[in-house]
Amino acid sequence: GAVVSQHPSRVICKSGTSVKIECRSLDFQATTMFWYRQFPKQSLMLMATSNEGSKATYEQGVEKDKFLINHASLTLSTLTVTSAHPEDSSFYICSASDVASTEAFFGQGTRLTVV
Amino acid sequence: AQSVTQPDIHITVSEGASLELRCNYSYGATPYLFWYVQSPGQGLQLLLKYFSGDTLVQGIKGFEAEFKRSQSSFNLRKPSVHWSDAAEYFCAVASSGGSYIPTFGRGTSLIVHP
Repeated sequence: GAVVSQHPSRVICKSGTSVKIECRSLDFQATTMFWYRQFPKQSLMLMATSNEGSKATYEQGVEKDKFLINHASLTLSTLTVTSAHPEDSSFYICSASDVASTEAFFGQGTRLTVV
Repeated sequence: AQSVTQPDIHITVSEGASLELRCNYSYGATPYLFWYVQSPGQGLQLLLKYFSGDTLVQGIKGFEAEFKRSQSSFNLRKPSVHWSDAAEYFCAVASSGGSYIPTFGRGTSLIVHP
């Protein structure tokens, strides 16, 4: 199956700093990538959908200026959490699909802890 | 709008026993349906999916699911559970037309007793 690599798997940052999470499709061209946030013992909450070369579409309630998403190539999307606060601590998961696919493939997730 | 309900937050079974995890969906047409498994601190792995055709779908790790349109259900089953099956299970529904954007249920935590 298709492989999506997410990096880093864990990151700890100080309040007020920014952190970047990368999501790469290793063996296919990801025309669409999705970013999710997952709180403990809860389901995945879609944050935004990004298409290569276009601006991301954010879900209602997600701050665009805080969660910057870039999808500059067909194999890479990045999520930057700007001016991080402890309440941004969470598990972030990306997924990717190509134009011919009817499913998305998930990365391994990134555990972000803001101290 | 599409939605998914997983009525059971936790399910506890003994190793070797059979398993059924419930999933009900709401969608206006025939949906795409999925079951994913998530181990602690990990991403999601696809167990199986239904798009059309045979309503009984076979997946990996010995899992199967049956699409029942009349009940708007897509329950996941396994005849004999192994201790390594302990994980979080998510049912998801996606539109059968247009962009694939899945909506996830809240998940069911499977606990396996020896």
